[in-house]
Amino acid sequence: NAGVTQTPKFRILKIGQSMTLQCTQDMNHNYMYWYRQDPGMGLKLIYYSVGAGITDKGEVPNGYNVSRSTTEDFPLRLELAAPSQTSVYFCASSYQDSVQPQHFGDGTRLSIL
Amino acid sequence: QKEVEQDPGPLSVPEGAIVSLNCTYSNSAFQYFMWYRQYSRKGPELLMYTYSSGNKEDGRFTAQVDKSSKYISLFIRDSQPSDSATYLCAMRSGTYKYIFGTGTRLKVLA
Repeated sequence: NAGVTQTPKFRILKIGQSMTLQCTQDMNHNYMYWYRQDPGMGLKLIYYSVGAGITDKGEVPNGYNVSRSTTEDFPLRLELAAPSQTSVYFCASSYQDSVQPQHFGDGTRLSIL
Repeated sequence: QKEVEQDPGPLSVPEGAIVSLNCTYSNSAFQYFMWYRQYSRKGPELLMYTYSSGNKEDGRFTAQVDKSSKYISLFIRDSQPSDSATYLCAMRSGTYKYIFGTGTRLKVLA
């Protein structure tokens, strides 16, 4: 039972580079989310999706883009990496409009130097 | 004022102790209340969730919600070294808006 899988686990980028963080889930969840976790700041929502083809901004979307072409996959794109994007990124999923809370992946640790 | 306040700790207790972890919140619209456990370099793992005020028990864990005081708690009985982790409270209003506390680091000493 894989649940939510994130790749890569670690990555170092140079300022200005771009990359895509991958997220896939095998639970047939409609809703998917991207969070970033910074020390002492808690989890902040970047983007979320309520189904294939539908995405919307969360609390801290600047500098990021997402797409949702399938139910299973929800990649997060950084176009021009900046040091402020150094963080741990978590993908999560849940059933549509359900009292069931979110299931999280194990995160991607990203450093921008 | 943050919507959710949680003491970051660290909290160190001896094995077998009862642990009390707490969060306060300011938004009356929060309807669902959750506790997650996060081990180092891992994603948050759901421990308990509840909707109503009162207590909910699951094994050694008890979640307590007091909506009138905007206060939630997680109690861990007979704490074990394997309970050493960061505990995050989370609250939800609406369909997608989850607000997380900053987490409390717990260390249970053998």
